[in-house]
Amino acid sequence: AQSVTQLDSQVPVFEEAPVELRCNYSSSVSVYLFWYVQYPNQGLQLLLKYLSGSTLVKSINGFEAEFNKSQTSFHLRKPSVHISDTAEYFCAVSVGAAGNKLTFGGGTRVLVKP
Amino acid sequence: GAVVSQHPSRVICKSGTSVKIECRSLDFQATTMFWYRQFPKQSLMLMATSNEGSKATYEQGVEKDKFLINHASLTLSTLTVTSAHPEDSSFYICSARAGGASGELFFGEGSRLTVL
Repeated sequence: AQSVTQLDSQVPVFEEAPVELRCNYSSSVSVYLFWYVQYPNQGLQLLLKYLSGSTLVKSINGFEAEFNKSQTSFHLRKPSVHISDTAEYFCAVSVGAAGNKLTFGGGTRVLVKP
Repeated sequence: GAVVSQHPSRVICKSGTSVKIECRSLDFQATTMFWYRQFPKQSLMLMATSNEGSKATYEQGVEKDKFLINHASLTLSTLTVTSAHPEDSSFYICSARAGGASGELFFGEGSRLTVL
């Protein structure tokens, strides 16, 4: 079975500062990796994903994540955060196929301060 | 992008009653949908995988007789919480898969259940 660990449950950060959210996974087989964002009382929105190819993936709103197979990590970064980035972020993996069931990490709550 | 709608978004019920939550894929067909449960300030836990036209596959520890899942059409899956108790209060989120096994997953807005 696979598991996902998000090392930081909360990350306070000032506006326009960089942020990194850590995600490590454990799996005996190859995985597909995802980052989702959840705003209060809402469902999840896909932020970015790694399926294959380039290990660095980027979203349209400035986030990027890098798949590191040797370290089994998929950390999420943004060089300059906005107040609107305040949300809960979940790292997730699936195995076998990209559309299979997801295993989620515990989540990281990002609070952007002015 | 693809849209998945859940209804109701919020529901309050009395202990012992049953509550049905609907998950609809509005602009695509979804042979597979997933139901998750999220406790306050916690992660999502997969409850079951719902496949159109067949029985749902439940995760270990999830009571299939308590959480009834029906996937009667390619655009609708329902979760019925039977004989609800306060400990069933939670945020329930569905996701629908567009296409086959490699299809992208789209999440509903979630349904918050409060059992009094």
